Amino acid sequence: NAGVMQNPRHLVRRRGQEARLRCSPMKGHSHVYWYRQLPEEGLKFMVYLQKENIIDESGMPKERFSAEFPKEGPSILRIQQVVRGDSAAYFCASSPAGTAYNYGYTFGSGTRLTVV
Amino acid sequence: RKEVEQDPGPFNVPEGATVAFNCTYSNSASQSFFWYRQDCRKEPKLLMSVYSSGNEDGRFTAQLNRASQYISLLIRDSKLSDSATYLCVVNMNFNKFYFGSGTKLNVKP
Repeated sequence: NAGVMQNPRHLVRRRGQEARLRCSPMKGHSHVYWYRQLPEEGLKFMVYLQKENIIDESGMPKERFSAEFPKEGPSILRIQQVVRGDSAAYFCASSPAGTAYNYGYTFGSGTRLTVV
Repeated sequence: RKEVEQDPGPFNVPEGATVAFNCTYSNSASQSFFWYRQDCRKEPKLLMSVYSSGNEDGRFTAQLNRASQYISLLIRDSKLSDSATYLCVVNMNFNKFYFGSGTKLNVKP
């Protein structure tokens, strides 16, 4: 049973380009969460999604960032017009419905975005 | 004030030592608590949940003090492989978790 799959593992973008990060949850998991970790800092919640629904996007920057979890395919975190401050590790986690509260999340290996 | 605060360390201990980390949280309505472990440049991995009555998993013991709003992690008989950053995690909003910045542990031979 594959874990949470994120790709790419490393992504380099020039300032002003778009970055697309993908996350496939574990089999049977219908909830996806995106977190960002800046160097030497803790993980910061960005967005919580279920299939075709954004449940909580309170951690998403108001501009340039968007996320989706379509009926088919992986969840996508999209960053438009990247800036150097977007350089970070982006982790995706998944859980079965209603269990994260009791059992925590399973994280993917992350995507390390570097903006040059 | 941050939602979750931890001493960043590092804690440098010899093999076989006992070491303890504390973590404080700001929201008294917080409902579930966890310790995660993160190795350098890797994803966080769940170490253990923290229950009100305290719980133990091998050499690891976690405790929760709701009155003082802190949780603790005790590691006995430290191994070299325990070297990592330990993240305190608090659930305040059903599915949204707040992570501390982590406490770094270095276990030396």
